[in-house]
Amino acid sequence: GAGVSQSPSNKVTEKGKDVELRCDPISGHTALYWYRQSLGQGLEFLIYFQGNSAPDKSGLPSDRFSAERTGGSVSTLTIQRTQQEDSAVYLCASSLTSGGYGTQYFGPGTRLLVL
Amino acid sequence: AQTVTQSQPEMSVQEAETVTLSCTYDTSESNYYLFWYKQPPSRQMILVIRQEAYKQQNATENRFSVNFQKAAKSFSLKISDSQLGDTAMYFCAQSPLDNNDMRFGAGTRLTVKP
Repeated sequence: GAGVSQSPSNKVTEKGKDVELRCDPISGHTALYWYRQSLGQGLEFLIYFQGNSAPDKSGLPSDRFSAERTGGSVSTLTIQRTQQEDSAVYLCASSLTSGGYGTQYFGPGTRLLVL
Repeated sequence: AQTVTQSQPEMSVQEAETVTLSCTYDTSESNYYLFWYKQPPSRQMILVIRQEAYKQQNATENRFSVNFQKAAKSFSLKISDSQLGDTAMYFCAQSPLDNNDMRFGAGTRLTVKP
């Protein structure tokens, strides 16, 4: 079946603008994760959704970042009033179950550039 | 807190040779999972291999195998018969069994030379 998809693949925006990044997980996967990958760095956890439970937002770097997951499927990561330090690749992953039991499958990412 | 350390920022290997990428981790959990992911220039993170900490036998997946030393908290990846398509960033990751706290290392950039 189809893998995790993300859109757009690239996004260039001006400082101060809001952006929305979309993630379509693998069908049937209950867990969804957002990560940020700055240039040459590893992955930084942002937020996690599991089924209908309240999301784990512990990794969000500031209140400018928020995410929603509608109907337990598609997720949108929103960054308000973007700053240049928000420039990074934003990766989404989904897994059949939560925690280590569920291998995470990643999307191709959205590369965000804030000018 | 968990940490994952990859001490080799960059490595290179000749095509058809064998290379080993190092990873150490720190966790207070007794059972957990370990992963190696590959990220080629296309940015797509691909699962290479997965190891359950409660299994003593090292995981293998075709040309990829791991050397899991639980007491030493070491989880190295061996790539045999390296191919040009193996050129990528490789990330080691560790996750507890029952929560979402998956931690990644900073990555090792591997270049396979013809």
